[in-house]
Amino acid sequence: NAGVTQTPKFQVLKTGQSMTLQCAQDMNHNSMYWYRQDPGMGLRLIYYSASEGTTDKGEVPNGYNVSRLNKREFSLRLESAAPSQTSVYFCASLFSGKETQYFGPGTRLLVL
Amino acid sequence: GENVEQHPSTLSVQEGDSAVIKCTYSDSASNYFPWYKQELGKRPQLIIDIRSNVGEKKDQRIAVTLNKTAKHFSLHITETQPEDSAVYFCAASKNSGYSTLTFGKGTMLLVSP
Repeated sequence: NAGVTQTPKFQVLKTGQSMTLQCAQDMNHNSMYWYRQDPGMGLRLIYYSASEGTTDKGEVPNGYNVSRLNKREFSLRLESAAPSQTSVYFCASLFSGKETQYFGPGTRLLVL
Repeated sequence: GENVEQHPSTLSVQEGDSAVIKCTYSDSASNYFPWYKQELGKRPQLIIDIRSNVGEKKDQRIAVTLNKTAKHFSLHITETQPEDSAVYFCAASKNSGYSTLTFGKGTMLLVSP
């Protein structure tokens, strides 16, 4: 039981490049989330998927897209990376009806 | 939407002292308040949580209190140890089945030996 996993762990992009951050969970959780963490800003919700087949915007969705590929996987895509998207990205998941979110190990992204 | 304010942003204590971190929230409909601990370079991990039908909850050296009327909640750590050094985040949500969390900006706790 790996919990929540994320790939890659670290990535460097040039401005304008695209990439997809991958997240998977093996806990049979229904809901999944993408957050970004910046110094002094806490964790801010980018997008979430309440259940398979649904996605919704969070607090800071601009410049991102998501795909809930199946119940296990939830990906975050940057179509044209900008330096302002330099951050640590965390994926989280939650079992429907419960309240505790479990976080993945994070992806550190540097956009030059 | 919900807004969560957290204070202080940094807190330095001596080993054995107590530490208190305070948060306020804006949405009176929020009913779930978790606290996460994040060590350097690691993922946030839940350490304790409280629901709106409870005023206080304890787990060994940590406790959380909730004042619904004032819309604030606090984390109390007693007999602090160097391994308590980390960033602590409070959060609030409305339990809607999928629980979107709004986080405070975090408190860096440093416990000196």
